[in-house]
Amino acid sequence: DGGITQSPKYLFRKEGQNVTLSCEQNLNHDAMYWYRQDPGQGLRLIYYSQIVNDFQKGDIAEGYSVSREKKESFPLTVTSAQKNPTAFYLCASSKYGDGDTEAFFGQGTRLTVV
Amino acid sequence: AQSVTQLGSHVSVSEGALVLLRCNYSSSVPPYLFWYVQYPNQGLQLLLKYTSAATLVKGINGFEAEFKKSETSFHLTKPSAHMSDAAEYFCAVSDPGGYNKLIFGAGTRLAVHP
Repeated sequence: DGGITQSPKYLFRKEGQNVTLSCEQNLNHDAMYWYRQDPGQGLRLIYYSQIVNDFQKGDIAEGYSVSREKKESFPLTVTSAQKNPTAFYLCASSKYGDGDTEAFFGQGTRLTVV
Repeated sequence: AQSVTQLGSHVSVSEGALVLLRCNYSSSVPPYLFWYVQYPNQGLQLLLKYTSAATLVKGINGFEAEFKKSETSFHLTKPSAHMSDAAEYFCAVSDPGGYNKLIFGAGTRLAVHP
């Protein structure tokens, strides 16, 4: 079945550590996105990518980095510069479109700072 | 700037009662509008979307929403709630030409009691 796979499901980070969240899709979608979800705040866009080797900052990119070396993969690194990283992270993908195409979401990674 | 407001962070209904979840948007151009549902610790699933065709949009699981430009609203309804409808619901907007970047509301948690 086609879909988006995020791993790991749960991740624990120590203070000062960088951690990388994996996102893989087999939907042949051009666009991929990372969102952060906090209780009562909905989802906020961290980074997005429309094509391989190109990506753009979203609304809350500080303390995060991404790469897009393959169409299928869009990993997110949470760096030590992100002061409040505890959150639920969601990866999504969509066909290239004019804003009207459906985004498909992974099952999420819950990151906790310990 | 675009924004989405969902009135009521928590809504509680009886099984069999009408479900009404409110969403208002602000956008400088006619937007594309979406409703997504999220079950605990999972990703988001599309319920329905408005892309400037019919103003009354039917989605999955018996949900529908009506786009009202004069009221800048896109409220979600279901005639008869089922226990399985208990979840969090997000309204989202994207601009035409906006590369499918979604702006989400804060979400409404729906509880259904017997």
